[in-house]
Amino acid sequence: AQSVTQLGSHVSVSEGALVLLRCNYSSSVPPYLFWYVQYPNQGLQLLLKYTTGATLVKGINGFEAEFKKSETSFHLTKPSAHMSDAAEYFCAVSSLFGNEKLTFGTGTRLTIIP
Amino acid sequence: DAGVIQSPRHEVTEMGQEVTLRCKPISGHDYLFWYRQTMMRGLELLIYFNNNVPIDDSGMPEDRFSAKMPNASFSTLKIQPSEPRDSAVYFCASSSRDGYSSGANVLTFGAGSRLTVL
Repeated sequence: AQSVTQLGSHVSVSEGALVLLRCNYSSSVPPYLFWYVQYPNQGLQLLLKYTTGATLVKGINGFEAEFKKSETSFHLTKPSAHMSDAAEYFCAVSSLFGNEKLTFGTGTRLTIIP
Repeated sequence: DAGVIQSPRHEVTEMGQEVTLRCKPISGHDYLFWYRQTMMRGLELLIYFNNNVPIDDSGMPEDRFSAKMPNASFSTLKIQPSEPRDSAVYFCASSSRDGYSSGANVLTFGAGSRLTVL
């Protein structure tokens, strides 16, 4: 079974400050990892994904995440927060085996302080 | 492409009534997923289809819920009878087997159907 844990259901950062959203996963097979963003009253949009290869992956809107196998982590970062980054962020895991299904974390709501 | 299209966007109904949610996936996508989102339980996978065939319905809460995919361009999620605890946002998502070039399944979500059962 696979699972994802997102630490912190709410995170607040000042505009221009570093954004760090934490995600740890559990998987008995090599994982595929995703970050999705959900803006109010909208569906989820893919920010970035890790499958194989380079462990630092870059996504849209200046976000990036690093896969660290030793720490079973896939934290999402952005150097400088913008007001438009306010949203809910979901980490998700799947794998090569049974990889049709994505298991999502409980989400982290990001608030940007002006 | 217009993306994944869901209807209705909002539905308010009374307990005991039948509710039907609809989804049109992206053309060419061969996987379709139904998720439910609530504050208490987050995002839950209810059921998914591959080439119109249900593959895993283990997430369907109970017999009151049913889902069909009569063709590649249409799916329904039906709740009969509805109960207040079914109030949630229901998302449909689709993906393409072509996404398997990397071995990963990248889902595209619809905007969701917000259901309120009084």
